Order: sequence, then structure tokens, then C-alpha cells
Amino acid sequence: EADIYQTPRYLVIGTGKKITLECSQTMGHDKMYWYQQDPGMELHLIHYSYGVNSTEKGDLSSESTVSRIRTEHFPLTLESARPSHTSQYLCASSAMAGGFYNEQFFGPGTRLTVL
Amino acid sequence: KQEVTQIPAALSVPEGENLVLNCSFTDSAIYNLQWFRQDPGKGLTSLLLIQSSQREQTSGRLNASLDKSSGRSTLYIAASQPGDSATYLCAVRDSGGYQKVTFGTGTKLQVIP
Repeated sequence: EADIYQTPRYLVIGTGKKITLECSQTMGHDKMYWYQQDPGMELHLIHYSYGVNSTEKGDLSSESTVSRIRTEHFPLTLESARPSHTSQYLCASSAMAGGFYNEQFFGPGTRLTVL
Repeated sequence: KQEVTQIPAALSVPEGENLVLNCSFTDSAIYNLQWFRQDPGKGLTSLLLIQSSQREQTSGRLNASLDKSSGRSTLYIAASQPGDSATYLCAVRDSGGYQKVTFGTGTKLQVIP
């Protein structure tokens, strides 16, 4: 079983609030990712990181920011939440093993609702 | 730009049937391909990972094949059970650049008891 955790699992907040979605993994993986997924829709990569102090924007434009100060921790922050940010946010990680990038493991997700 | 397509988008079968889910991708320069299942409102659970040099992987009742040259992968589920009901996603990791992972849109499977 993958050791990747996300908190909170569910969050309902009002417009304009600042929020941080937490993601931690205990597998020592160097690569971490944030995806956004609307119900019944495909996953969109919004941020990724190759390692500590490395962060990049993904394919889908997002008003969120991320940081990677520690290998195991990859939090995502929304400075001012809006109803358009309502979605499910999935965190994932992967490592390199034997010359191949290993499996991508996913956390349980955070379902965010902005009123 | 890599594009990943999954057919069919939805599938309903009676319990006990063997079934095949399809995944096709446009750029054959891939690093690996991974199959996931996703239950409603949940995260993704990894099922099988096939490296670009491999042709197939097996885990229990699941068998995934990869034909890189034709840009196709199949996920075979034997003796389907109601607990197999979920959305199945394939994801392709490119071999170039930052090794981007592209997800398909998924096949929603319902196994009827």
C-alpha cells in the first residue's frame, strides 16, 4: 500500500479564504505532483517537483502555488479561494529505480468546495 | 503532444465475464505505461506498470499488454466481479523532456451481479 497522505480529505470554505492542502509521502520519492480533477473528468497536472527546492507549473493554469522544502512534503496553497477552485485535488509521487521511473502512487485526494 | 485515448468510455458486463479495456497513445516514445483504477470520489490505485521494454505484466486476474510500435495497451480482466466496478485509467510517461505523464479519459466499468 502506498504511503502518501493528504489532508484534509474534505474542505468547505468561503470565498477569499487562504487555504493550504497538505501532501506527504514516506517513501523518499523525489518526484511529486499535484493534479486537479473535476467529477467524471480527466486529471490535469497543475504542479510538479523533481526534488527539494524544485517546482514547476503543469499543463493546466492554476492560481495555486506549491513549495518543496522537504523531500516528503509538497503543500499546495490557494491565497484567495474562489468558487471556480471547487474540485478534487490529487497528490502523487514517484521515484527512480533501476534506471526506470517507478510507479506513480496517489494519495486519497482532497475534495474542495468554495462557497 | 502525447494524446491518450481509452475505448470504450463505459462498459457494463455480467459477473464472470472476461473483458478487455483499450488504451491508445499517439507518441510511441514512452518510458512506461501504468494502469490505475479509481473509485468514485477517491484517489487512484495503481494496478500494473509496464516499462517500455516490456510486453506485458500480470497481477492476479489482471493482465496488461503493451505494443509500443502501434501505440496500444490493453488491460484484460478475467472472471470479472462486482468489486471490479470502477473507472480504469491508463497513463503514459513520455521518455523525453521532463517525462510528462498523460492520462487517458478512462473507461467506467460496471460489473452486474
